[in-house]
Amino acid sequence: SQQGEEDPQALSIQEGENATMNCSYKTSINNLQWYRQNSGRGLVHLILIRSNEREKHSGRLRVTLDTSKKSSSLLITASRAADTASYFCASTDSWGKLQFGAGTQVVVTP
Amino acid sequence: EAGVTQFPSHSVIEKGQTVTLRCDPISGHDNLYWYRRVMGKEIKFLLHFVKESKQDESGMPNNRFLAERTGGTYSTLKVQPAELEDSGVYFCASSQEIGDDYNEQFFGPGTRLTVL
Repeated sequence: SQQGEEDPQALSIQEGENATMNCSYKTSINNLQWYRQNSGRGLVHLILIRSNEREKHSGRLRVTLDTSKKSSSLLITASRAADTASYFCASTDSWGKLQFGAGTQVVVTP
Repeated sequence: EAGVTQFPSHSVIEKGQTVTLRCDPISGHDNLYWYRRVMGKEIKFLLHFVKESKQDESGMPNNRFLAERTGGTYSTLKVQPAELEDSGVYFCASSQEIGDDYNEQFFGPGTRLTVL
């Protein structure tokens, strides 16, 4: 089964707007992480939320986790053109193995 | 301090040829992971080294793929012989330790492999 299925697959917004993307997973997790990938570059770790946490904030990022629904959301507030990237959620097992979703491509236009 | 580096950044080879990808993790990181993303699909785990030992290689697609990490430092991933479906971006990541529930992995920029 595929972990971390995300929606939407693509999101186009204007600067200043908020961007919300969702992620669902199928098995038990130790934690769930969100990563960003700018075109042609590696993955950058954004935020981690533990399985016993429900919400976490980091700067303009807000992550929620609902373990009963096996879902998570990432909210980027007051988006900027520099936020244009692909965003991935990934569940983590006890050995750190990441299982990624297909990602959400976010485009922020000035 | 240097991050995770990968070489080459791009590789274009013909079907049937051999390619070797290299990953240099962050110094001192015992854990090294390989992932790949084929076109339009999700990023998939390939394998995990703890120092020089393979902790988990459940994601290796078949025996055409061979990963090594001699001496527990850099790692190589060899594809022999390469097939068309091996095309994609191969990422390497490293982490310092396995905590109870936290394991930030630092990713390299990836190697884009194209098999013609």
